[in-house]
Amino acid sequence: GAVVSQHPSRVICKSGTSVKIECRSLDFQATTMFWYRQFPKQSLMLMATSNEGSKATYEQGVEKDKFLINHASLTLSTLTVTSAHPEDSSFYICSASGRRGYNSPLHFGNGTRLTVT
Amino acid sequence: GESVGLHLPTLSVQEGDNSIINCAYSNSASDYFIWYKQESGKGPQFIIDIRSNMDKRQGQRVTVLLNKTVKHLSLQIAATQPGDSAVYFCAENSDQFYFGTGTSLTVIP
Repeated sequence: GAVVSQHPSRVICKSGTSVKIECRSLDFQATTMFWYRQFPKQSLMLMATSNEGSKATYEQGVEKDKFLINHASLTLSTLTVTSAHPEDSSFYICSASGRRGYNSPLHFGNGTRLTVT
Repeated sequence: GESVGLHLPTLSVQEGDNSIINCAYSNSASDYFIWYKQESGKGPQFIIDIRSNMDKRQGQRVTVLLNKTVKHLSLQIAATQPGDSAVYFCAENSDQFYFGTGTSLTVIP
């Protein structure tokens, strides 16, 4: 089955620093990647949608200058949390789809636990 | 975005019993739905999907039912096992995926 690799799985950083999270599709070309954020005992909240070669589309309320997304190739998307603060501590999950649009299941990475001290 | 929600936040079942997890969605134009299972500290895992031209689809020990009239989706797990303990999400697909609140399933040995 389709495999999505997310790295790192855990990261602890100091307030004010930036953190980069990578999401790779290992055995398929991901035309679209999605980034989610999940707080404990809550659902996945879509942050942004990135299409290869174009700018990411951010959900309402998500700061694009704080959460920088780059989808430079069909197998790699990165999320950079800039000037991280303790309230950015969360579980970040990426997912990828091999086809644009409808009727195609998402394949998820195993998430990144970010802790900002 | 679209609203996809679940009726029950927690569900406890005895091992061997059947489990039913429900989900309501609000976008009547949605034509594709997916159930995911998420274990603690991991990303969601695909379980089963269904397209809107169907009302039932079966997998291994799982069945998804779709009622478009009332915009309701359910996941049935037969002979629930301890390994089924997890949080289950339904998701509705348009150009993005939106997830419901999730139901935490606990299987009692």
